[in-house]
Amino acid sequence: DAGVTQSPTHLIKTRGQQVTLRCSPKSGHDTVSWYQQALGQGPQFIFQYYEEEERQRGNFPDRFSGHQFPNYSSELNVNALLLGDSALYLCASTLVGGYTIYFGEGSWLTVV
Amino acid sequence: AQKITQTQPGMFVQEKEAVTLDCTYDTSDPSYGLFWYKQPSSGEMIFLIYQGSYDQQNATEGRYSLNFQKARKSANLVISASQLGDSAMYFCAIRVYSGGGADGLTFGKGTHLIIQP
Repeated sequence: DAGVTQSPTHLIKTRGQQVTLRCSPKSGHDTVSWYQQALGQGPQFIFQYYEEEERQRGNFPDRFSGHQFPNYSSELNVNALLLGDSALYLCASTLVGGYTIYFGEGSWLTVV
Repeated sequence: AQKITQTQPGMFVQEKEAVTLDCTYDTSDPSYGLFWYKQPSSGEMIFLIYQGSYDQQNATEGRYSLNFQKARKSANLVISASQLGDSAMYFCAIRVYSGGGADGLTFGKGTHLIIQP
């Protein structure tokens, strides 16, 4: 049973560039959420996708956008990268109405 | 808005001893869930245990148990018989259920647990 998978695992981008991170949810899960974890901090909720729509959003600017595909996989896009966007980006999946939330191993983004 | 407070930035514990990691929460919603995750240096958040606000009994999962004291808004994680592999960051989180849906998780700042041989 495949867990939550994310790609790429590590990447380096330059200020002002754009980045796309990808996530495949755990088998059977239909809801995907994204979190940003800065060094030494707990993860912060970015947004949640269900039925290909953004259902809820945390306190993040519009530079952060996402998408969910019919197979439930998801992308996180960040435009106009800032140095402060350097973080571990975690994808989590769950079954709507379920309580267990599983995370992937994350994508480490460094902005230089 | 929800809030999680973890007051222990770091802990050193001898192998085989029991460990209690503190977590207090704040929410005005009556329906919520409390989660504990383990995060090794690799970065993956590993789900440990879940407690629903209406659950009558404290949750247990193997060596992990959750000491849920609703009136005190406390949800401490207890690890029995600690092992060297338990060394990691531990995060407490809350999720509110309202309006037919569920919010994203709100995390605390974590506790860095180090098990010493």
